Amino acid sequence: NAGVTQTPKFRVLKTGQSMTLLCAQDMNHEYMYWYRQDPGMGLRLIHYSVGEGTTAKGEVPDGYNVSRLKKQNFLLGLESAAPSQTSVYFCASSPSDWKNEQFFGPGTRLTVL
Amino acid sequence: GESVGLHLPTLSVQEGDNSIINCAYSNSASDYFIWYKQESGKGPQFIIDIRSNMDKRQGQRVTVLLNKTVKHLSLQIAATQPGDSAVYFCAEKVLGGGATNKLIFGTGTLLAVQP
Repeated sequence: NAGVTQTPKFRVLKTGQSMTLLCAQDMNHEYMYWYRQDPGMGLRLIHYSVGEGTTAKGEVPDGYNVSRLKKQNFLLGLESAAPSQTSVYFCASSPSDWKNEQFFGPGTRLTVL
Repeated sequence: GESVGLHLPTLSVQEGDNSIINCAYSNSASDYFIWYKQESGKGPQFIIDIRSNMDKRQGQRVTVLLNKTVKHLSLQIAATQPGDSAVYFCAEKVLGGGATNKLIFGTGTLLAVQP
């Protein structure tokens, strides 16, 4: 099993450009999450999904949209990128609500100029 | 990634020594406390968790201690190895109320193991 994979690994955008980050998991997990990680701030939850076709806002959702059309995929979109969205983005999945272990992907480093 | 370690508290230990990484939490209602390890350039990896009604839990070479009186959590690593060098995060989880397994992460501690 590949676990959780993220595409792309690196990306540089100009302010105002849009892009989509793709997360895929092959563990048949119901729950998926998008986090951003900034220096000295730990991980902050952007959006999450409790199953195919559902999404919900996390701690820092502004400027992002998500979709979960297929159970194995969770997409994070930036419609109009801003320099404040420069960060490392991590996707994670977990099998259920009561499991504490989340499985993380390798991350996407995004720079917005 | 490599920028994760910037501005973080750092614990430097000699290979073979025991390491103690500390974490203070603020939410008395948290039901679980979890430790994650993040190596440079990788995503976080689950280490161990402890329920709030426990004081201690042991895993392979790791022990987590919970002191609810002072809202303090610690991760002890026995016989620290170079492969233990990483950023360690504590996280809290509150059950119920639609929390849906959301974790609140701390800012992390960088463990540097000296050979």
